[in-house]
Amino acid sequence: DAKTTQPNSMESNEEEPVHLPCNHSTISGTDYIHWYRQLPSQGPEYVIHGLTSNVNNRMASLAIAEDRKSSTLILHRATLRDAAVYYCILRDINAGGTSYGKLTFGQGTILTVHP
Amino acid sequence: KAGVTQTPRYLIKTRGQQVTLSCSPISGHRSVSWYQQTPGQGLQFLFEYFSETQRNKGNFPGRFSGRQFSNSRSEMNVSTLELGDSALYLCASSPTTGNNQPQHFGDGTRLSIL
Repeated sequence: DAKTTQPNSMESNEEEPVHLPCNHSTISGTDYIHWYRQLPSQGPEYVIHGLTSNVNNRMASLAIAEDRKSSTLILHRATLRDAAVYYCILRDINAGGTSYGKLTFGQGTILTVHP
Repeated sequence: KAGVTQTPRYLIKTRGQQVTLSCSPISGHRSVSWYQQTPGQGLQFLFEYFSETQRNKGNFPGRFSGRQFSNSRSEMNVSTLELGDSALYLCASSPTTGNNQPQHFGDGTRLSIL
């Protein structure tokens, strides 16, 4: 699996935008960029995913660099409930076999939101 | 729509015992994956089942096993428990086994080994 690099931690203030970066310089053409987050005492939660174009949903936006070697998860207005560990994960759409159903989690970014 | 349900939420066992954890996926989901989460190793993939067949397995000893039933519910079993098996065990489901599909996680079973 291609690797991702994220900062260990970030801080934000409530109601301000948050930009969470992810580097994936070895990304392949068939790797989708997925983001999950894990709130305290809960299982991971799917946030968003994309291939090349920027993506928006009700939770967040995903901005993907033109060369696809980096991406940014954008929370438009952080709330206290957004305090979590955020994981950036690559998934090869063409991979089978040893990648079936498998998410490879790194250490993620711990996001702290201040009131 | 009900989410992924894992039972029990908490479990305490002693070394040498065995344990069975249960996972009910979201209705209509046929793929179930299992993960182990520990403070030291983070989230690690255990195995994935689809249509009652194990499609993929992580790097865990044979003491860790699982199965999936015809209704897509899944169980995982750990035999001869060791102290290092203390962890949060998470189950995730998705409609099929494609790598472009989000996985939906339960809140896990916290297993403590004494």
